[in-house]
Amino acid sequence: GAGVSQSPSNKVTEKGKDVELRCDPISGHTALYWYRQRLGQGLEFLIYFQGNSAPDKSGLPSDRFSAERTGESVSTLTIQRTQQEDSAVYLCASSSAGGAYEQYFGPGTRLTVT
Amino acid sequence: RKEVEQDPGPFNVPEGATVAFNCTYSNSASQSFFWYRQDCRKEPKLLMSVYSSGNEDGRFTAQLNRASQYISLLIRDSKLSDSATYLCAVNGQAGTALIFGKGTTLSVSS
Repeated sequence: GAGVSQSPSNKVTEKGKDVELRCDPISGHTALYWYRQRLGQGLEFLIYFQGNSAPDKSGLPSDRFSAERTGESVSTLTIQRTQQEDSAVYLCASSSAGGAYEQYFGPGTRLTVT
Repeated sequence: RKEVEQDPGPFNVPEGATVAFNCTYSNSASQSFFWYRQDCRKEPKLLMSVYSSGNEDGRFTAQLNRASQYISLLIRDSKLSDSATYLCAVNGQAGTALIFGKGTTLSVSS
């Protein structure tokens, strides 16, 4: 079956612009996660959606970052007024249920802020 | 103590070698444990779950030691294609996302 998909695969933007990244989870997966991975670094947790529960936003680095999810489908991660330090790969993952279950990752969006 | 810790390596081994990685975790209530593999500039891919009794998948063996709070991954008969970064993941408090280690880099040479 189809895996997690993300778009765009690459995004180059100028400092100060807003960007929107999209994630389509595996069909039927109720949990969705966003991570950031800077070059040569580990995964940095950003936000977690589980069903209709309030999202866990504890990893969002600043109020320039926000994310939404419509039901148990698509999620968008928005970064406002991008900064050069936002350059990274943004990875989305989904799992069949909550945090105790294995996660499956999308291919990521490589964001470059110039 | 960090929530999930791994030796970053790199581990440089010849083909055919056996290599083992450990991953320590701080939350004694953790119930779910996984190993992921990440190739350069690719997304992490699930390698295997780690069960309480230990489990094996071909050349790969995963173990859990609850008393000492670590999981391990053993790779036998290393192949060139095993070269990658290996991430461990542990669930934290109930209902939260998996916590990932920063990864251990393995390089297998001929």
